[in-house]
Amino acid sequence: QQQVKQSPQSLIVQKGGISIINCAYENTAFDYFPWYQQFPGKGPALLIAIRPDVSEKKEGRFTISFNKSAKQFSLHIMDSQPGDSATYFCAASDRNDMRFGAGTRLTVKP
Amino acid sequence: DAMVIQNPRYQVTQFGKPVTLSCSQTLNHNVMYWYQQKSSQAPKLLFHYYDKDFNNEADTPDNFQSRRPNTSFCFLDIRSPGLGDAAMYLCATSTFRDRGLTQHFGDGTRLSIL
Repeated sequence: QQQVKQSPQSLIVQKGGISIINCAYENTAFDYFPWYQQFPGKGPALLIAIRPDVSEKKEGRFTISFNKSAKQFSLHIMDSQPGDSATYFCAASDRNDMRFGAGTRLTVKP
Repeated sequence: DAMVIQNPRYQVTQFGKPVTLSCSQTLNHNVMYWYQQKSSQAPKLLFHYYDKDFNNEADTPDNFQSRRPNTSFCFLDIRSPGLGDAAMYLCATSTFRDRGLTQHFGDGTRLSIL
């Protein structure tokens, strides 16, 4: 059972553009929504996270938008850079259990 | 720096030959996880430990076992690897309080089956 659906599977963006990755969840018990960034040959690393009591969280060029009624959240990367090229995983957690989306492979072209 | 270290980074084994992957941590976290990650897929939780309390996911094959002899170390044993077990295996840690919030991952062991 796929509890967190992520799209697109891959994304190509020009340098300076905006990268947008979307996720949807099913379990309303989830109350924490992190994004992980994974570079080739490395483990995932926490990038940014949000709780459902806010609709948006921004850290530098990275922003999470959260829509509780639609059970959807998205990651926006502003001014995308080649160094942002990585695989991004959304996740959803109920404090005991974290479920990951299938990942989006982002390529930022110079 | 406190971290999660996985050894080896690359492991090649033969079909049906037992293999052990190791994970060590200097974070002193009491929760340790093992994930299986196949190409272009999400990490799939195999099992986790709360201290010495072992928690197996319902769909983890019996072929996969784990040991945690102390807080710092955790091992993944694959008793009879099949071709379908070729994957990246990720170890992660968390505090009990932060379980489900923040997990610290190692860089993984890529397992190949000949």
